[in-house]
Amino acid sequence: AQSVSQHNHHVILSEAASLELGCNYSYGGTVNLFWYVQYPGQHLQLLLKYFSGDPLVKGIKGFEAEFIKSKFSFNLRKPSVQWSDTAEYFCAVRRKAAGNKLTFGGGTRVLVKP
Amino acid sequence: SAVISQKPSRDICQRGTSLTIQCQVDSQVTMMFWYRQQPGQSLTLIATANQGSEATYESGFVIDKFPISRPNLTFSTLTVSNMSPEDSSIYLCSVNAGQGVGTQYFGPGTRLLVL
Repeated sequence: AQSVSQHNHHVILSEAASLELGCNYSYGGTVNLFWYVQYPGQHLQLLLKYFSGDPLVKGIKGFEAEFIKSKFSFNLRKPSVQWSDTAEYFCAVRRKAAGNKLTFGGGTRVLVKP
Repeated sequence: SAVISQKPSRDICQRGTSLTIQCQVDSQVTMMFWYRQQPGQSLTLIATANQGSEATYESGFVIDKFPISRPNLTFSTLTVSNMSPEDSSIYLCSVNAGQGVGTQYFGPGTRLLVL
C-alpha cells in the first residue's frame, strides 16, 4: 500500500531559524509530490509541487522542496521562518497508477515563537 | 486553480441523524474527491466522484454510510448517514484542476460535531 511518512509530528522554533520538514514515501515509480499548508482556522493551501524536471522546486512564501529520487524523499525547507509560518504542513504523493489519488502524510505542526 | 465552496461550514448534529454537505466549484472538473480529517489527524480519502458514474469508495468507507451525488461537473454532495460521535470530523471537498493531471485543490471544509 502507498504510504507517506512525515518524520516530525511537532516542531517548535524561533523566528529567523531555518526549517526543514522531512517527507518520505514507500514505493518506486513515477510520482507527483506536493506540500500543503493549513494555517490556523484556514483551509488547506498548496505550497508547492513537483511533477518533473528540476528536483529543486520553489513555492510560495519562500518555501522550497527537493525531490531526491534515490531516497524517496521530498523535504520542505525555509531558510528563515516567521511567526506567520505557524501552521500544519502536509506532504502528499500522487501516483497515476493509483488513479491519481492523493495520499497524505500525517502532518507536522510547526509553531514559530516570536 | 479552482475556487471551491462548501455548505455548511460547520454543524452540530444529534446521533442517528444525517447531514448532507454540498460542494460547489467555479469551473467544470472531471474528478472530485471527498476527504475526512479527524481531530488531530491527517486527511483520509473517502471516495472519488466522477460525473456520470458511481462514486468509488476507499477501503473502510461504504456507500450506505457516505452516499455521494455528482449531478454535474461543478457540484457534488456527501451525506454522512446515521451519525455517531465518531463521525465528528472536518469533511473536505477537493478537485483536480489545471493542465494535464492537474493539481488538487481543497475547499474550506465542513466542521461536523456529532453529540
